[in-house]
Amino acid sequence: KQEVTQIPAALSVPEGENLVLNCSFTDSAIYNLQWFRQDPGKGLTSLLLIQSSQREQTSGRLNASLDKSSGRSTLYIAASQPGDSATYLCAVWQGNMLTFGGGTRLMVKP
Amino acid sequence: ETGVTQSPTHLIKTRGQQVTLRCSSQSGHNTVSWYQQALGQGPQFIFQYYREEENGRGNFPPRFSGLQFPNYSSELNVNALELDDSALYLCASSLGGSSQTEAFFGQGTRLTVV
Repeated sequence: KQEVTQIPAALSVPEGENLVLNCSFTDSAIYNLQWFRQDPGKGLTSLLLIQSSQREQTSGRLNASLDKSSGRSTLYIAASQPGDSATYLCAVWQGNMLTFGGGTRLMVKP
Repeated sequence: ETGVTQSPTHLIKTRGQQVTLRCSSQSGHNTVSWYQQALGQGPQFIFQYYREEENGRGNFPPRFSGLQFPNYSSELNVNALELDDSALYLCASSLGGSSQTEAFFGQGTRLTVV
């Protein structure tokens, strides 16, 4: 059974810092990995999808990497802003379902 | 804005009642999946529908059932509601059944069972 873990569970940083969120998964036989953002009480916003054959994807200030062999992904956020405050979830596609981690709750202080 | 819409946004039901949640998929997407998210946790897969047929199910009892319509909109039905069913229910649309393309989520329905 696939298990996805995200560390840290919560993170508080001052505005302007670069930061890294970590995601690990136990079964490397995945198709793709997707990173999401979730604001309190809201749905999920897709940030990046990394195909299993890719090693990284970039969108604006976000960069996500994937190392299938070690079962790890990282989400790098450059020059963090207060508007980045949210919960970040990683999820792996296996079969026809997404398995999610518990999320990292990020607070960026002005 | 993902183009995936869910209704209602909030709902309060009494234990033992039945509830129907609705989802309108993003245009052109033929696959819809439903997830349950308890407070402070990641979403859990309930089931997926592809071209109006159930195409996989997570660890949820049969009182959780669904439908997908020819226009690819979908319903999640939950019978005999329990207090533990209180959660955010999320609908996701994607393209291609098991091809694992990018999933787009709606804003969710917050269900409270009292």
